[in-house]
Amino acid sequence: EDQVTQSPEALRLQEGESSSLNCSYTVSGLRGLFWYRQDPGKGPEFLFTLYSAGEEKEKERLKATLTKKESFLHITAPKPEDSATYLCAVQAGGGYNKLIFGAGTRLAVHP
Amino acid sequence: DTEVTQTPKHLVMGMTNKKSLKCEQHMGHRAMYWYKQKAKKPPELMFVYSYEKLSINESVPSRFSPECPNSSLLNLHLHALQPEDSALYLCASSQDSGTEAFFGQGTRLTVV
Repeated sequence: EDQVTQSPEALRLQEGESSSLNCSYTVSGLRGLFWYRQDPGKGPEFLFTLYSAGEEKEKERLKATLTKKESFLHITAPKPEDSATYLCAVQAGGGYNKLIFGAGTRLAVHP
Repeated sequence: DTEVTQTPKHLVMGMTNKKSLKCEQHMGHRAMYWYKQKAKKPPELMFVYSYEKLSINESVPSRFSPECPNSSLLNLHLHALQPEDSALYLCASSQDSGTEAFFGQGTRLTVV
């Protein structure tokens, strides 16, 4: 069965304290792995798409990487405005447009 | 422009009411989705439309009825809902399978 597990469940950082979020997955034929940011009461905001092991994407203080079994979202020198829930999702093979979401990591960055 | 627009933003309805949620995108995307999200949980897929045809129904109760009038619009018709159906309902669209989905801001539904 296709499965996505994110860790940690919650993370508290001081402003400027870099860290990484983990997304491990078990899926038959990965078509894509996606990272989203979600603020309370709002829809998920797309961040990155990764397709193959070894791929990396960067945007401001965020960098996403992918291996054959997991993905990491690295946050460098975070600011309070980076506080949000970060969701990882995978799309499996089979021609179906179905995203399987992990439970998310709730990130709080304090000044 | 990567905007998906959902209306209304908030909806309160009684268990005997009939209401509809609306979603619109003008990105030329051919796949559109309905998700349901409860507090502190990830989004759960309800329906997928691909090229205006229903391709996935995740065993959703018949009190939820999706409709795709054209490639830009997606509706979710609601009838005889239960209080446990209260949630954030999210619409999303993607170019096709295997590409990123863009989400709307959601409709916060409360069933009383």
